[in-house]
Amino acid sequence: QVTLKESGPGILQPSQTLSLTCTFSGFSLSTYGMGVGWIRQPSGKGLEWLANIWWDDDKYYNPSLKNRLTISKDTSNNQAFLKITNVDTADTATYYCARSYRRDWFAYWGQGTLVTVSS
Amino acid sequence: DVVLTQTPSILSATIGQSVSISCRSSQSLLDSDGNTYLYWFLQRPGQSPQRLIYLVSNLGSGVPNRFSGSGSGTDFTLKISGVEAEDLGVYYCMQATHAPLTFGSGTKLEIK
Repeated sequence: QVTLKESGPGILQPSQTLSLTCTFSGFSLSTYGMGVGWIRQPSGKGLEWLANIWWDDDKYYNPSLKNRLTISKDTSNNQAFLKITNVDTADTATYYCARSYRRDWFAYWGQGTLVTVSS
Repeated sequence: DVVLTQTPSILSATIGQSVSISCRSSQSLLDSDGNTYLYWFLQRPGQSPQRLIYLVSNLGSGVPNRFSGSGSGTDFTLKISGVEAEDLGVYYCMQATHAPLTFGSGTKLEIK
């Protein structure tokens, strides 16, 4: 059974760095073709893909967030991470992680974690 | 970036009615490998998105067969043949042929 669960700080201040963790089970990021992606959703709005990391440590980012994103993984502990630097109120959203396998995208999603950026 | 335009933005249906949602892409989604990486998701109120359809027309695991997907190139359709109460929520199309991955703006299905 594949499960994913996101965790984050809940609230942080503008200009800080947001650190998110995706803890998963039922698959391994050491398996050929496996990947984890991050997607976010401001309240009442649509979905935005942020980044993906693959079993071979290949990483892909959404250019719209320029150089603010860093995705990484800890294969031994079945976790993936996303950092977003210099946050502002526009980064307030629910952040989801989801599994990708080869080019089979997002069949499994976590429950999401709400992040609020506020001074 | 590829823009996916979903219509309508809001859809109101009665139980048992058949409805369709359109997703039009600003570029062809046919990949050089011969696949078309177009997906459909349903986000029920207060829940995470759930994948319904992959590669245009393949039903996801556990998804009822009243859902079907069709289309090619730049024009795609999700059809629900006989809406049920549990189908209410927001439907999104997503493309993964071109980087970056992009989603449509969503179609909200309301039950009359």
